[in-house]
Order: sequence, then C-alpha cells, then structure tokens
Amino acid sequence: EVQLVESGGGLVQPGRSLRLSCAASGFTFDDYAMHWVRQAPGKGLEWVSGVSWNSGRTGYADSVKGRFTISRDNAKNSLFLQMNSLRPEDTAFYYCAKDTERNMVYGMDVWGQGTTVTVSS
Amino acid sequence: QSALTQPRSVSGSPGQSVTISCTGTSSDVGGYNSVSWYQQHPGKAPKSIIYHVSKRPSGVPDRFSGSKSGNTASLTISGLQAEDEADYYCCSYGGSYIYVFGTGTMVTVL
Repeated sequence: EVQLVESGGGLVQPGRSLRLSCAASGFTFDDYAMHWVRQAPGKGLEWVSGVSWNSGRTGYADSVKGRFTISRDNAKNSLFLQMNSLRPEDTAFYYCAKDTERNMVYGMDVWGQGTTVTVSS
Repeated sequence: QSALTQPRSVSGSPGQSVTISCTGTSSDVGGYNSVSWYQQHPGKAPKSIIYHVSKRPSGVPDRFSGSKSGNTASLTISGLQAEDEADYYCCSYGGSYIYVFGTGTMVTVL
C-alpha cells in the first residue's frame, strides 16, 4: 500500500524554526518528485514547495521562498521541509504529496494525512 | 503566483452532471498540460481525482473527467452521487518548478 506519513508539526513561537518529515512507503520513492502543500484553518490548499526525484530541481511559493527549504533522502525514503523564521500566517495543516512523475510535471496522486503547524507566542 | 479562479460553489441533483471551471493564464493553465484536480471531504486529506488534464488515478470512477481549453480547465462529474459532496481544487504547473492551486469549489448534492 502506498503511504505517506508526516511528522514534526507542533506549536512554535514566531521567528523560530521547525522541521517537518514525511516517511514514504509502498512505492519506489526515488522514481517520483515530491511536494509539500498546506491548508490554513478554514482556507484552501496552497502549494508550498516541490523537489524532483534526484533533488536536482526545487521550487517554492513566493510566500515561503528564502525561509523554507525542501530536501529528500532517497536512501531513507524520506522528504523534509525545514521551516525557518516562522510567521503566524504559516499556521496550517501541512501535507506531503507524491507526484506522478520524476519531475514536477503533471500533478500529485497520493497524499499523506498531514501534520499541524501552529505559529503563536 | 495568483490563485487560479474557481466558482465558489456549484450544485446538482443526484444523477445530474456538474462542471467546475478553473481559469488561469497563459503562464499556467494555458501554457502546460499540467492541470490536476483534488477532492477534499471535511476534515480529510485531499484525494487526487485527475492529473495531466484528463487522466484518472487508479480507483477513481470514470464519472470524473477533466478537460482544458485555452486558459480554462474543467472538471465534470457525471451521474452525481451523494458522496461527491465535497470541496474540489484545481492545480496547475506554473513554470519554473512552481505549482498554483485554485480557489476551491464546494459541490453540493441537492
């Protein structure tokens, strides 16, 4: 069974850092690009960041560029999101999602259950 | 990176068809065959129902179909069922390894 399990969320003060992880199983992890997508309370989906199969290509939403860094460890079937200089507006449910191709091309086909990040003093 | 435009809500009776539009620009929807659609029930994670404009992941009923014309993509749900009541989001590649989601549409089954 294809599965994505996020972890690392929690309550953090503004300006601090947090690192999210996503453990993948049930598919050949290094054959696919991966993404992080978030959803603020009561709001719609927002694409945050994506990384190609070999980490050769990464992309970021303007709202997080320069503060967040996506990475992956293909040997450990894991995806990460390092979030620095967190702001209250980063408060959201963060989902890990698998792409349908090696590069970020056609969209996502598998989603995790998400992890909650709350930025508040 | 402006969000793609979707109608706030659409509704239909069981058995009917509904179509959700997703309007972008030539820099995203119109520029790439990379539109995808996601269904989200309240309190649940999103589920992929369409990728690459019109392809369905395994297990998604063929009642769901996608298309694109110019800068506008569409999702059609045929034979509407009660379990189709959910929020639906479109998404498009926007170039330079960026994706953008739509504003979301609530589908109500009357």
